[in-house]
Amino acid sequence: QKEVEQNSGPLSVPEGAIASLNCTYSDRGSQSFFWYRQYSGKSPELIMFIYSNGDKEDGRFTAQLNKASQYVSLLIRDSQPSDSATYLCAVKKSGDDKIIFGKGTRLHILP
Amino acid sequence: KAGVTQTPRYLIKTRGQQVTLSCSPISGHRSVSWYQQTPGQGLQFLFEYFSETQRNKGNFPGRFSGRQFSNSRSEMNVSTLELGDSALYLCASTNRGSQETQYFGPGTRLLVL
Repeated sequence: QKEVEQNSGPLSVPEGAIASLNCTYSDRGSQSFFWYRQYSGKSPELIMFIYSNGDKEDGRFTAQLNKASQYVSLLIRDSQPSDSATYLCAVKKSGDDKIIFGKGTRLHILP
Repeated sequence: KAGVTQTPRYLIKTRGQQVTLSCSPISGHRSVSWYQQTPGQGLQFLFEYFSETQRNKGNFPGRFSGRQFSNSRSEMNVSTLELGDSALYLCASTNRGSQETQYFGPGTRLLVL
């Protein structure tokens, strides 16, 4: 089982709709979870981090964490064409504190 | 506050050569992590340095090495380059002890011919 798994996509969502991106992780002791956005040819940019079970909202973005199910998601409301990018889920492992990234989900917002 | 800087931005080398990449973290950040990003493997952790000491290491061969200086700047070195080392090498700066979020530099794109 991969340490951090994401559906590679592409995920196509109409403009104005909600985009839902999902991530599962294998290390049950993980405490910190991050979502990064990466535009083609650019470096990853931090969008959100979440440490506690439940939802965390920041503008149009909501991160959701369920440690019992080892699942973290990112919701993007009112999707815009500028949201088209690859979204990387990252998990900080317990013990050695390494931050492990998933391979990313490509999101395409349809105008 | 200035962001993470990496030099050079682009590099072309041939097999068997060696290469050194440089990263300057955000001022005040003492942790620097290095990642290799390829289309097939995604972002893979190479190593992390904190206060001039290697704190963590990923599953890469010994040809990949790094170091950190007293001003927190870091270098990574790849010896005996192979075609498969062609990738985007990203450096990330972290303020350990704070929210511990990583901020990435623009990367160095390495092409090995």
